[in-house]
Amino acid sequence: DIRMTQSPASLSASLGETVNIECLASEDIYSDLAWYQQKPGKSPQLLIYNANSLQNGVPSRFSGSGSGTQYSLKINSLQSEDVATYFCQQYNNYRTFGGGTKLELK
Amino acid sequence: EVQLVESGGGLVQPGRSLKLSCAASGFTFSNYYMAWVRQAPKKGLEWVATISTSGSRTYYPDSVKGRFTISRDNAKSSLYLQMNSLKSEDTATYYCARQDRGGYFDYWGQGVMVTVSS
Repeated sequence: DIRMTQSPASLSASLGETVNIECLASEDIYSDLAWYQQKPGKSPQLLIYNANSLQNGVPSRFSGSGSGTQYSLKINSLQSEDVATYFCQQYNNYRTFGGGTKLELK
Repeated sequence: EVQLVESGGGLVQPGRSLKLSCAASGFTFSNYYMAWVRQAPKKGLEWVATISTSGSRTYYPDSVKGRFTISRDNAKSSLYLQMNSLKSEDTATYYCARQDRGGYFDYWGQGVMVTVSS
C-alpha cells in the first residue's frame, strides 16, 4: 500500500499570508495526486488534480506542484474562507489519503 | 448540477449488516466510476470501494474486503454499499463520490452516518 504523509498536521496563519502544505508518498506516484478542502461539517471538495491542475471554480490563489514522491499545495493571500482541513490523495495504486492539515487563522 | 444523496445510515450492532444507498442526478451516471469514502469521527478520509461503469469490476482496500460489497443500478442512477459483519471501527460518515477516470473524486455527497455499537 502507498502511504501518504502530510505535514504539518496543523497550521496557523494570518490573512494575506502564503501557506504551504506538503505531502510525501511512500513511493513514486507519477503525479497521480489530488488535493481536497474540507470545511467544518461539510463534505470534501476537490481543489487540485494531477498534482497541478486546478479544478473548475477553484480560486487561482490555490496551486499545486511536485513530482515523484513529493508534492505541495500552496495558498496565496490567505482568505478567511480558506479555514479548513486539507487532504492529499494518491490514485496511482488504489487510493489513499494523507492524514490532513488543519488550517486556522492566527 | 451534480447531486449525490446518501441514505440508509443509522445505529447498528456489531456483527450485523447495513446497506447504504446513493441517488445520483445531474450527470450521466452510467458513464462514471463511482466510489464510497468514509471518515471516522474527528479522523481522516479512507477510501472504501470503487465500482466500474458497468459494475463488472469492483475494488476494495484490505480493511473491508470480504465484508463490504459495492454495487450499482444504472437504470436508477443509484449506488449501493452492502456492509456485513460490521465492527466498531466501521463507525464513520460514509460519502458517495463520483470518481473521475483519472482516479480522483470530483463530486461528493453530503454523507451519511453509520454507528456500530451495542
